[in-house]
This record gives sequence, C-alpha cells and structure tokens, in this order.
Amino acid sequence: GAVVSQHPSRVICKSGTSVKIECRSLDFQATTMFWYRQFPKQSLMLMATSNEGSKATYEQGVEKDKFLINHASLTLSTLTVTSAHPEDSSFYICSAAGASGSSYNEQFFGPGTRLTVL
Amino acid sequence: AQSVTQLGSHVSVSEGALVLLRCNYSSSVPPYLFWYVQYPNQGLQLLLKYTSAATLVKGINGFEAEFKKSETSFHLTKPSAHMSDAAEYFCAVSGTYDMRFGAGTRLTVKP
Repeated sequence: GAVVSQHPSRVICKSGTSVKIECRSLDFQATTMFWYRQFPKQSLMLMATSNEGSKATYEQGVEKDKFLINHASLTLSTLTVTSAHPEDSSFYICSAAGASGSSYNEQFFGPGTRLTVL
Repeated sequence: AQSVTQLGSHVSVSEGALVLLRCNYSSSVPPYLFWYVQYPNQGLQLLLKYTSAATLVKGINGFEAEFKKSETSFHLTKPSAHMSDAAEYFCAVSGTYDMRFGAGTRLTVKP
C-alpha cells in the first residue's frame, strides 16, 4: 500500500513552454502533498506543501508564479512549470502524506520526474 | 525547527564490510526519524523509520538504526555490505508540517 505515482517520468521541452507534472496517490487519500526539487548530487529541497482544496504554501525563495501547484482532489496534485527555462531543469519529486496506518507525517514518495529544458 | 545532519558526504566500504552512515538530529519535540535510499534517477525508498516505539529499528535489506537520545543520533548500519547497496542515503526528520532531509551520503561498495 501507500503507492505514489508521477507522470511523466521524463520530459524534455523547449525554453518558454510550460510543463505539467502529475502526482497521484494510488491507494490512499492524501491529506497533504509535497513537491521537492533535487539538483544533481544534492539533497531534496522542499518547494511547496499543498492540501486538497487549498492554496499551496511555498517555501521561501520559490516563485509561486513560476511553479503552479494545484491540489484539486485527495489523490491528485499537479505541478506546472510555467515558461520553463534551462535553469528549471531538475529532478522533481512529489510525496504524499495521510495514508491510513502511517506514522505521524510520514510521507510516501513518487518516483520522480526528470525535466530537461532546452 | 527540526533538522538533521549527515556526517560524511561519501562513504566507501568493501563488499562484506560493515556499513555505518551517520545522522544527528536537532528537534525541540520528540522526533520521527527516517532513512531513505535513492538509486540514480529514482525516487526515495523508505529503509526504516523511528516513531518512538523502539530505539533499535530494523528495516529492509538488512539495515538497522538505533535512536540514541543522549547523543541525538540515528545512525544507519548494515553488518555486511553488498554491491547492490551502492546508492545515495538520506536521513530525514518529520516535523509538525513537513520533513527535512540531510544532505545525503553516497555509499560506494568496492568489490
């Protein structure tokens, strides 16, 4: 149980275009979803936290107009990178919390999405 | 605020040798601690977690970790390294609202 999927796993786009990444909790309803960004050989950096039906809470330094997060249901959150530029190239990982029987605030992670902006 | 510090960005061991990856935490409340493993271009896989039930926690793939409050540590160990253990390992502490990760330790296993 507690499986999280992400789609797509890999995306290449041209500079200036927008890219949407989906994060789904497959077998549980996620009260909270998180979006992380990971640069090569670095740790995960929390970008934002979202609760279903509410506006996302962005970490300091993360541009909310650049990284649009929508959490329309208890099983789906989307991250849209708007007007992507090469510096947005990164590995994006989502996670979800709220699985039945899980520990306090335990997060379950998706497999990640590799974004390359040309 | 809660945080974790992983000592050693890179650890190299021989196959069959003991694996010890160090993690120290800082928390104003009783912490929930986690160890994750990440293989290249993949997400995080939970190895084990501490949620105050027992100080010695056993996880998957032969890993275990011991919570030591007096030392504010949660080091990850495995008695005998296998080539397939080569990966990036992250220690994390769960707070009221979010999870904070250490910088990661890259484990290399030499044949």
